[in-house]
Amino acid sequence: KAGVTQTPRYLIKTRGQQVTLSCSPISGHRSVSWYQQTPGQGLQFLFEYFSETQRNKGNFPGRFSGRQFSNSRSEMNVSTLELGDSALYLCASSLALAGEWTGELFFGEGSRLTVL
Amino acid sequence: DQQVKQNSPSLSVQEGRISILNCDYTNSMFDYFLWYKKYPAEGPTFLISISSIKDKNEDGRFTVFLNKSAKHLSLHIVPSQPGDSAVYFCAATGGEGNKLVFGAGTILRVKS
Repeated sequence: KAGVTQTPRYLIKTRGQQVTLSCSPISGHRSVSWYQQTPGQGLQFLFEYFSETQRNKGNFPGRFSGRQFSNSRSEMNVSTLELGDSALYLCASSLALAGEWTGELFFGEGSRLTVL
Repeated sequence: DQQVKQNSPSLSVQEGRISILNCDYTNSMFDYFLWYKKYPAEGPTFLISISSIKDKNEDGRFTVFLNKSAKHLSLHIVPSQPGDSAVYFCAATGGEGNKLVFGAGTILRVKS
């Protein structure tokens, strides 16, 4: 069974540009979440999608957005990039529905974004 | 407002000894607590979890203890092996849908 796939793995952008990251969840998983990892901050929750609907959103500015397609693949977009957006962006998928979920997520390897 | 805290950025342990990683939380609504392990250039992988109605869960060399009154949990690894060297994240969830709140992580180094 293929794992969570994220593309691209590495990318470099300059301030003011925008970026789109892609995530393909494990087959059959309908929930896709995005997290930002920066040194010393752990993983910060960005948002979660289920059946093309955003179910939950973290405390990030509106420059961070996402969407989910009918095949459960997801994209996240960051507009007007800032130096502080440099981070590892992790996508995760899960099978369980809300209310049944016990916290297990399956993570991809991440997309490392560097903003110059 | 850090709801989940790992106060030790790093821990070094001799192979064969016990590793104890600690985590504190503030939100009483959390109902599941988890530990994830992360190697460089890989995504985090689920290691072990515990429900808030239990105080101990064991899986092979890994045991998680939960002290609800102290809002504290710990992960014990015994015996520690060099392959356990990784970053360990404590996480919690509860009441807010499929969302995990993570601690900042503890780097574990197991020396052979």
